[in-house]
Amino acid sequence: NAGVTQTPKFQVLKTGQSMTLQCAQDMNHNSMYWYRQDPGMGLRLIYYSASEGTTDKGEVPNGYNVSRLNKREFSLRLESAAPSQTSVYFCASSESVGPGETQYFGPGTRLLVL
Amino acid sequence: AQSVTQLGSHVSVSEGALVLLRCNYSSSVPPYLFWYVQYPNQGLQLLLKYTTGATLVKGINGFEAEFKKSETSFHLTKPSAHMSDAAEYFCAVINSGYSTLTFGKGTMLLVSP
Repeated sequence: NAGVTQTPKFQVLKTGQSMTLQCAQDMNHNSMYWYRQDPGMGLRLIYYSASEGTTDKGEVPNGYNVSRLNKREFSLRLESAAPSQTSVYFCASSESVGPGETQYFGPGTRLLVL
Repeated sequence: AQSVTQLGSHVSVSEGALVLLRCNYSSSVPPYLFWYVQYPNQGLQLLLKYTTGATLVKGINGFEAEFKKSETSFHLTKPSAHMSDAAEYFCAVINSGYSTLTFGKGTMLLVSP
């Protein structure tokens, strides 16, 4: 049981390049999330998917798109990377959305945009 | 809108000393509160959570937190710090739609021998 996995672990991009961050979970969870973590800012929600087939914007969605490929996988795409998107990106999943649900996090993807 | 304030971006304690990490929240709905821990170069993992019921919540690794509605607080404590507790700690509150979390900015706990 691997939990939440993310690929790649580390990536360097040039401004304007595109890339997709991959996330998969093997816990049969319905809900998945993408966060970014910046020093002194905590975690900020980019997008989430409450269930397969649905996606919703979070606090900082600009510059990103997401795809809930199936129940297991939730990808985050940067169409035209900017230096402001240099960050550590975390994917998380939970059994469902709801007040007491625990989110389980992946190990993160460190992205550097030059 | 929900928000979380963590007082102190860094807290330093000696091994064996009391750990106290402060969290205050604002919420327009009955709050559900969480503490997560992040060890270096890892993702976050749940320490404990308050949903309903008992206001003193016990978590993993000897941590506990008390929900105080009158003070809008959910401070994290541990009686005796270990070196292995050195990590960053995040407090979080559920949003008004009960669908997503709002995280605080984090408190780095430093433990010295």
